[in-house]
Amino acid sequence: GQQVMQIPQYQHVQEGEDFTTYCNSSTTLSNIQWYKQRPGGHPVFLIQLVKSGEVKKQKRLTFQFGEAKKNSSLHITATQTTDVGTYFCAGGGAGRRALTFGSGTRLQVQP
Amino acid sequence: GAVVSQHPSWVICKSGTSVKIECRSLDFQATTMFWYRQFPKQSLMLMATSNEGSKATYEQGVEKDKFLINHASLTLSTLTVTSAHPEDSSFYICSAREGQGRNSPLHFGNGTRLTVT
Repeated sequence: GQQVMQIPQYQHVQEGEDFTTYCNSSTTLSNIQWYKQRPGGHPVFLIQLVKSGEVKKQKRLTFQFGEAKKNSSLHITATQTTDVGTYFCAGGGAGRRALTFGSGTRLQVQP
Repeated sequence: GAVVSQHPSWVICKSGTSVKIECRSLDFQATTMFWYRQFPKQSLMLMATSNEGSKATYEQGVEKDKFLINHASLTLSTLTVTSAHPEDSSFYICSAREGQGRNSPLHFGNGTRLTVT
């Protein structure tokens, strides 16, 4: 079945440093979505990428979808303590209604 | 924005009892809802896809007689954990799509933390 992996599993940065998480799927994806889950909370939708090679920005966050539509990345510039949480990518496959979530990257930001 | 309400937020029950968790889409209709399970510091594992007016579709390895899903209306899906055991203790989260398209983002409920003693 479809598998979605993320690296790193955990990252601890100093406030102001950049952060990147990478997402890789075993199969080609129809779309990829990114979610953020704060400690004790539920996942919250951040963005969706559909097109091959697509790049989207949300303030300090930059999302990319690979040319082969099998990988994606999330880059945060100049992290802040409010960025703390676990970031999940979630892939949609052809013919499958449900999303497959990646293993997640837990980000800790030290002030 | 779209809101999904999940109830209860947490529940403690004794081994052998059953627990029902409700998931409601408050301002949109959801023909499909998804139930996930999450262990501490782990990812969300899809348990089943709940289909309004028909049987749920369970993922491989998920016992359908253990985790009963009912989607009786366009705004309500329920998950019943039957004869709960301590190993069923987990965080259960439901989600729903606002639109019909497969690419529509998921809106998640706040989750239910189940502890079986």
